[in-house]
Amino acid sequence: EAQVTQNPRYLITVTGKKLTVTCSQNMNHEYMSWYRQDPGLGLRQIYYSMNVEVTDKGDVPEGYKVSRKEKRNFPLILESPSPNQTSLYFCASRWRLDRGYTGELFFGEGSRLTVL
Amino acid sequence: EDKVVQSPLSLVVHEGDTVTLNCSYEVTNFRSLLWYKQEKKAPTFLFMLTSSGIEKKSGRLSSILDKKELFSILNITATQTGDSAIYLCAVANNDMRFGAGTRLTVKP
Repeated sequence: EAQVTQNPRYLITVTGKKLTVTCSQNMNHEYMSWYRQDPGLGLRQIYYSMNVEVTDKGDVPEGYKVSRKEKRNFPLILESPSPNQTSLYFCASRWRLDRGYTGELFFGEGSRLTVL
Repeated sequence: EDKVVQSPLSLVVHEGDTVTLNCSYEVTNFRSLLWYKQEKKAPTFLFMLTSSGIEKKSGRLSSILDKKELFSILNITATQTGDSAIYLCAVANNDMRFGAGTRLTVKP
């Protein structure tokens, strides 16, 4: 089954304790992206990756890191989490647009993170 | 700076009403505009629009794009309580940018 898998789905942590949210897709998509969703603000992009070893900042990258060592995986790293990073996080992927494909994103189920 | 603006941000209607949700955009290298519905979990795909003036329909939902005026609308006719959700508009260029969403509440 084609899917984007995120883990953990729920996490409560404390300020300063490093954590990683994993994201994996099995559709051979080039493009992967992380979003955070907060009430009234829609989906705001944190980082995205157009392909392996290529990552770029989105609108709200502060406090986050990513890596893209393999095509299928795109982990989100919070080196020193703070309470303002309490949010619902979504990983998403799609094919590269220059294949004539125009853009549907496939989403993971979301990871709800609480930082105390 | 690229931006996607949705309106209204919130809407409350009664079952059977018809609603129109708006999405305007300013992006470079436009490729497509997408509508998603989000209930309690991840957004689910509704429509993708690439050409002006061609209506996409799925049951009671329909959408159209105007690439000259840079906007799209999503219509929902004969609304039901199950239509209650956040409706997200997104524009794809080399990246994907989302609007803030419209929270639709349909009351019985």
